[in-house]
Amino acid sequence: GAGVSQSPSNKVTEKGKDVELRCDPISGHTALYWYRQSLGQGLEFLIYFQGNSAPDKSGLPSDRFSAERTGGSVSTLTIQRTQQEDSAVYLCASSQAGGRYEQYFGPGTRLTVT
Amino acid sequence: GEDVEQSLFLSVREGDSSVINCTYTDSSSTYLYWYKQEPGAGLQLLTYIFSNMDMKQDQRLTVLLNKKDKHLSLRIADTQTGDSAIYFCAESSSNNNDMRFGAGTRLTVKP
Repeated sequence: GAGVSQSPSNKVTEKGKDVELRCDPISGHTALYWYRQSLGQGLEFLIYFQGNSAPDKSGLPSDRFSAERTGGSVSTLTIQRTQQEDSAVYLCASSQAGGRYEQYFGPGTRLTVT
Repeated sequence: GEDVEQSLFLSVREGDSSVINCTYTDSSSTYLYWYKQEPGAGLQLLTYIFSNMDMKQDQRLTVLLNKKDKHLSLRIADTQTGDSAIYFCAESSSNNNDMRFGAGTRLTVKP
């Protein structure tokens, strides 16, 4: 497939557990973004990777959140010691560097912390 | 920081036109975009307009850009129930490899 994929599509976890969310961007896209969307809300920027540059982590809400991007492709977002307020849809997007920069979104991972 | 603002809700009757408005603050914005998010799905790019244009039409969609007032609108003609979704306005500039999104406008189409 040519689109951005994310896994799992749904994740239910108990409060206090760690979770890992995965994003496979479009091949060749150098930029990768993670967003959080709480129920009925807009997009909250979390983190941005661009090529080999240091990521922009300015949107991460706490030190429980971290993300990696291996080999300039796949990315994982890790949430440690999950809290109920972490429940949201986590969206990943990728874009090409240069040009219009429009982002192509994956379907998201719906995280529910019980 | 630079902001993109939209009203949160719009309700129209099937067959009417919908107009979703957006304002932005970055005067160096190069491209402006409209994304659509259907329930349970990611965001899908609907259309975009380059900042040196003032109008773009694509079938039922018309985008109007007033660069002086930094105002963008999306008009959907003959709105259908399948148009019910959240519509996000976004902008990017050549100064940043980044896009900034509004909070989204939830469009409800009543039969």
